Amino acid sequence: DAGITQSPRHKVTETGTPVTLRCHQTENHRYMYWYRQDPGHGLRLIHYSYGVKDTDKGEVSDGYSVSRSKTEDFLLTLESATSSQTSVYFCATAKRTGDETQYFGPGTRLLVL
Amino acid sequence: GQSLEQPSEVTAVEGAIVQINCTYQTSGFYGLSWYQQHDGGAPTFLSYNGLDGLEETGRFSSFLSRSDSYGYLLLQELQMKDSASYFCAVRKNQAGTALIFGKGTTLSVSS
Repeated sequence: DAGITQSPRHKVTETGTPVTLRCHQTENHRYMYWYRQDPGHGLRLIHYSYGVKDTDKGEVSDGYSVSRSKTEDFLLTLESATSSQTSVYFCATAKRTGDETQYFGPGTRLLVL
Repeated sequence: GQSLEQPSEVTAVEGAIVQINCTYQTSGFYGLSWYQQHDGGAPTFLSYNGLDGLEETGRFSSFLSRSDSYGYLLLQELQMKDSASYFCAVRKNQAGTALIFGKGTTLSVSS
């Protein structure tokens, strides 16, 4: 398995506060992704990165921003958390273009009160 | 728009064969993947079809028909540990690997 860790694993926060989730990988994979998973919606892509400082929006990017200053770290920021952002957030990586396997981290459970 | 449709639930008994279908409608298509997820844990990659036909990996096989915008995952010799959620996912772009996932099928295997 690819070495992917997410921190924190659980977080409870209040509406309006900023939240940053971290994804760290030790595999030197080029691509990194943030998904959210909600009942009845499956996995939805928030943002992804195809290299250091190179990012793009996914299906549900509103209210989220990302940064990738080095290969191993991909940060997801909720600038002002809302209750609709209560979800399980998964980070994933892929080695290179044409590699069809995405490797997922263990997830972060976020509750916004 | 874009959508992937798969059944929400499937039930089967140990030793049986089950097929999970996936139909897709997307603005781009470069392949169909399948992922397995146990109890809300990390999804894991099962298989990929970039071309029409059947791909076999042990007890699991996956099929794709691009002309029908349809694929399926076939699980044989079902075991209790196969109880999980299964997601189909479409790769839309030639470069990069961003995926659009279906909502998932919950498979329950009973003895």
